[in-house]
Amino acid sequence: GAGVSQSPSNKVTEKGKDVELRCDPISGHTALYWYRQSLGQGLEFLIYFQGNSAPDKSGLPSDRFSAERTGGSVSTLTIQRTQQEDSAVYLCASSVTGGGFDEQYFGPGTRLTVT
Amino acid sequence: AQTVTQSQPEMSVQEAETVTLSCTYDTSESDYYLFWYKQPPSRQMILVIRQEAYKQQNATENRFSVNFQKAAKSFSLKISDSQLGDAAMYFCAYRTSPYYGGATNKLIFGTGTLLAVQP
Repeated sequence: GAGVSQSPSNKVTEKGKDVELRCDPISGHTALYWYRQSLGQGLEFLIYFQGNSAPDKSGLPSDRFSAERTGGSVSTLTIQRTQQEDSAVYLCASSVTGGGFDEQYFGPGTRLTVT
Repeated sequence: AQTVTQSQPEMSVQEAETVTLSCTYDTSESDYYLFWYKQPPSRQMILVIRQEAYKQQNATENRFSVNFQKAAKSFSLKISDSQLGDAAMYFCAYRTSPYYGGATNKLIFGTGTLLAVQP
């Protein structure tokens, strides 16, 4: 079946603009995660959804970052007033239930470049 | 807080040979999960192998196996009969057991090891 998809694949934006990144998880997966991969910080967790609620938002780096999930499916990560340090690859993952041993299936990521 | 350390930024192996990638972690928890993920140039992370901390038997998946040393907090990945397609970035990751409660199911990643396979 279809895997996790993300759009756009690449995004170039000017500093100060807002961007929206989209994630389509595997159908039926209740858990959804966002991670950020950057040269300076490595792979870091941003937020975790179980259904439409986000029990763990601890990784969001500032209040410029927000995310939502609707219908227990698609999720959007929004970055307001982008800064150059936001440049990174944003990875989305989903898993069946979110249980500890659950495999997280990753999407191909969105490469964000802030100029 | 838990941390994961991969001390080998880059490794190289000859095709058909065996290579071991190192991973150590720090935690005060007794139950947890450990994972190795592979990230090829396509960027898509792929699960290679996983281990539950309370299981003493080392996990094996075809040519991939782990050496899990709980007391030493070590979780190394062995790749046997290396193939050109194994060339990728490999990440070790830690995940807390739900036993400890809390809401997080996040993966905590190491910094990765870039594996090159020489023909």
